[in-house]
Amino acid sequence: GAGVSQTPSNKVTEKGKYVELRCDPISGHTALYWYRQSLGQGPEFLIYFQGTGAADDSGLPNDRFFAVRPEGSVSTLKIQRTERGDSAVYLCASSLSDNEKLFFGSGTQLSVL
Amino acid sequence: GENVEQHPSTLSVQEGDSAVIKCTYSDSASNYFPWYKQELGKGPQLIIDIRSNVGEKKDQRIAVTLNKTAKHFSLHITETQPEDSAVYFCAASYSGGYQKVTFGTGTKLQVIP
Repeated sequence: GAGVSQTPSNKVTEKGKYVELRCDPISGHTALYWYRQSLGQGPEFLIYFQGTGAADDSGLPNDRFFAVRPEGSVSTLKIQRTERGDSAVYLCASSLSDNEKLFFGSGTQLSVL
Repeated sequence: GENVEQHPSTLSVQEGDSAVIKCTYSDSASNYFPWYKQELGKGPQLIIDIRSNVGEKKDQRIAVTLNKTAKHFSLHITETQPEDSAVYFCAASYSGGYQKVTFGTGTKLQVIP
């Protein structure tokens, strides 16, 4: 596809469960970002990858959140012991290189019941 | 860290009229100011951006202005059309490295036919 692909588009889980959210960036884009968007708010930065490494994870709220990008393409955001406050849209974005414009996916709507 | 304030939160205009959205930022190191349009169920899409060495930039019906001294920047949409209806976000970042973007809280624009 031409754009950033995120799966699933919707995820409903129960408090305490583990979830994984997947992001397929645009082919050839080396920079990948995760943002979180709560209802009625702007997206908030979570983590940035350049290639396979997490160059900046300062936005991750706590150690229940973790993200990987093992081959420098697809990334997975992992949330352990989910809490109701984790409910939000999780957005992935990629860019050709560090200083290029961001292309966002449509996000995964996570609902923790 | 950077703080971006945006207003108004909602804006209704008649088709053909102009719309103006205003933002302020706090970090004088910020030098890149993108604007995003977000439609329901989709991720933000970059519509225009401006760098701090430029005071104004125009692209067809959209223009952005930047006042570095006052730390103000604005989006102007002329000859509005119903398809301009969406949520608009201003944002700020330091473009010397990667795009750790700080978003405003968004403006919901409604263009009335």
